Amino acid sequence: AQSVTQLDSQVPVFEEAPVELRCNYSSSVSVYLFWYVQYPNQGLQLLLKYLSGSTLVKGINGFEAEFNKSQTSFHLRKPSVHISDTAEYFCAVTPAHNNDMRFGAGTRLTVKP
Amino acid sequence: EAGVAQSPRYKIIEKRQSVAFWCNPISGHATLYWYQQILGQGPKLLIQFQNNGVVDDSQLPKDRFSAERLKGVDSTLKIQPAKLEDSAVYLCASSFDLGANVLTFGAGSRLTVL
Repeated sequence: AQSVTQLDSQVPVFEEAPVELRCNYSSSVSVYLFWYVQYPNQGLQLLLKYLSGSTLVKGINGFEAEFNKSQTSFHLRKPSVHISDTAEYFCAVTPAHNNDMRFGAGTRLTVKP
Repeated sequence: EAGVAQSPRYKIIEKRQSVAFWCNPISGHATLYWYQQILGQGPKLLIQFQNNGVVDDSQLPKDRFSAERLKGVDSTLKIQPAKLEDSAVYLCASSFDLGANVLTFGAGSRLTVL
């Protein structure tokens, strides 16, 4: 079965600094990849997804991610973060043929003033 | 469009008691999911419905957990009897159908078992 590893459990960063949240996946079949954001006491909200085509995917709130098949990675980036980006971020993977979605353990992004 | 509705938002029970959570998916969404999110972990799929049929319940602890979606719309997840380790947020999600990869999540139901 497919799996996801988020390499950093916590990422503290100052406001307006760039950030990268790392995600590696494992699968024996073609996959789709996702990043979700979870604000306190809320459900998960889709940030962006990679299904096919261009390996650079742009999402909401200025986030982007790059699919790297050779490195089996899907790192999330933002060139300049805001206080409001403080949240938990989850990387997820699903086989291309079904919706068996597996999530990573999450990365808590804390943006400091 | 209205989002995925869940209730109750919070529930505190003693171990060995029972609890039920309710989910109303987005109108027209055929596929419904229940996830368990333990503090500090990512969501884990418990059960997946397509209309009123179960697609995958391989990770559902069937000795104490049950779920149904009788009319293919609303769903109920029940835990009986609850254990301390069941303390978690129970997230409901829906998607248009099995082939649609975008899941819309509800705000979750936080369960504390004392």
